[in-house]
Parts: sequence; C-alpha cells; structure tokens
Amino acid sequence: EAGVVQSPRYKIIEKKQPVAFWCNPISGHNTLYWYRQNLGQGPELLIRYENEEAVDDSQLPKDRFSAERLKGVDSTLKIQPAELGDSAVYLCASSSRDRDGYTFGSGTRLTVV
Amino acid sequence: AQSVTQPDIHITVSEGASLELRCNYSYGATPYLFWYVQSPGQGLQLLLKYFSGDTLVQGIKGFEAEFKRSQSSFNLRKPSVHWSDAAEYFCAVENQGGKLIFGQGTELSVKP
Repeated sequence: EAGVVQSPRYKIIEKKQPVAFWCNPISGHNTLYWYRQNLGQGPELLIRYENEEAVDDSQLPKDRFSAERLKGVDSTLKIQPAELGDSAVYLCASSSRDRDGYTFGSGTRLTVV
Repeated sequence: AQSVTQPDIHITVSEGASLELRCNYSYGATPYLFWYVQSPGQGLQLLLKYFSGDTLVQGIKGFEAEFKRSQSSFNLRKPSVHWSDAAEYFCAVENQGGKLIFGQGTELSVKP
C-alpha cells in the first residue's frame, strides 16, 4: 500500500504568488483532510472532505485558500496570493469509514519569502 | 470547547530509561484519543489509539498509553527508550465531527 502521497515535498515562493499542493489518499479512503502545521505547533484542520463534498471548511481562509477533490479521490489545495504567514507544513490525511485511524502524508513544507 | 494539553514542551531522557509523556484533554463525551509521532521532515505516524474498552492500549514500537477518565488524561509510556525514539510526539482527540484536535506536541531528546 502506497500510503498518502503528497507533492511537492518542498516549495519556496515569493509573497503574492500562487501555489498549489496535491494529495493522493489511500485507495478506498473516502475521508480526506488538509491540515496546516505551523512551526512548533500541532496540526490544525483546514478542510475535511467526505468523498467529493467539503463537509467542514470552517477553518479555511476562503479569501485566499481554495480546495477541491475531483471524483472523490485526489485533492488539491491552493493559495492565491500567498502571504508570509502562510509558511508552514501542509499535511494531507485520509481515513476509512470505520475511522480506524488516520494516515498522514509526509507533507509539503511551504516557505513564502 | 475541545482541547488537548501537552504540558511538557521538551523532555530529555537517557537511553534505556523509562518515558512518560503527559496528555490532558477537554471533551464532553467519551473521547477517541490518539498518539502520533513525527520525525523531522516527516508526516505523522500513528502510535496507538483508544476508542473504547480496555483503558491500557498497546501500540507500535513498544509504546503504551493509559486512558484515565477521572483525570482526563491519556499519557504515553515506554519502559525503555531507544535513541531512535527521539522525535516530536502529538496527542490528539477526535471530536464528533471527525476533526482531530492536536496538542502542541512534546519534543523528546534521548541522551546516549
């Protein structure tokens, strides 16, 4: 089993530029999450999908962040435009219907300069 | 509101010594509780979880945790620490909406 795959692993961009992250969850996992982890902090949920529906996006800064999960499988998270404070690790996770634990990807470390 | 507190930001133990990482949670209902480990530059790996039943939970890599409802705690333990255990450890609670709420993390250093 490949696990949750994220790309890119690292991204450095200038402020005001757009950036996108991609996530491929574990096959058969209908729930997908995007978390943001600031330095020295625990991860915080940005958005949760059940299949292709965003069921919790209350923590997503919708003025600059957007996400989609086409066909209920892969997902992309986009920031446009990026700000210095967006520098963080963006983690994707997936889980199955029985909630037998979440599997996290390795994350994308974003640095905005 | 639900929350998780890990009182120790950084702990140093000697290799071979025992370890206990503290976790306290605030949650109205019966909690689903998790411990994750994160090595530098890596994602989070699940060590163990508690949903119900036996309050002493065994996990991977020789870790265990005990759920104590009266103390709202879910402390992680290991009888003998190895140098490879040096990492960041996160306790988390899942709320009814399926959202994981994490603590701030405890960084573990292991002295030779």
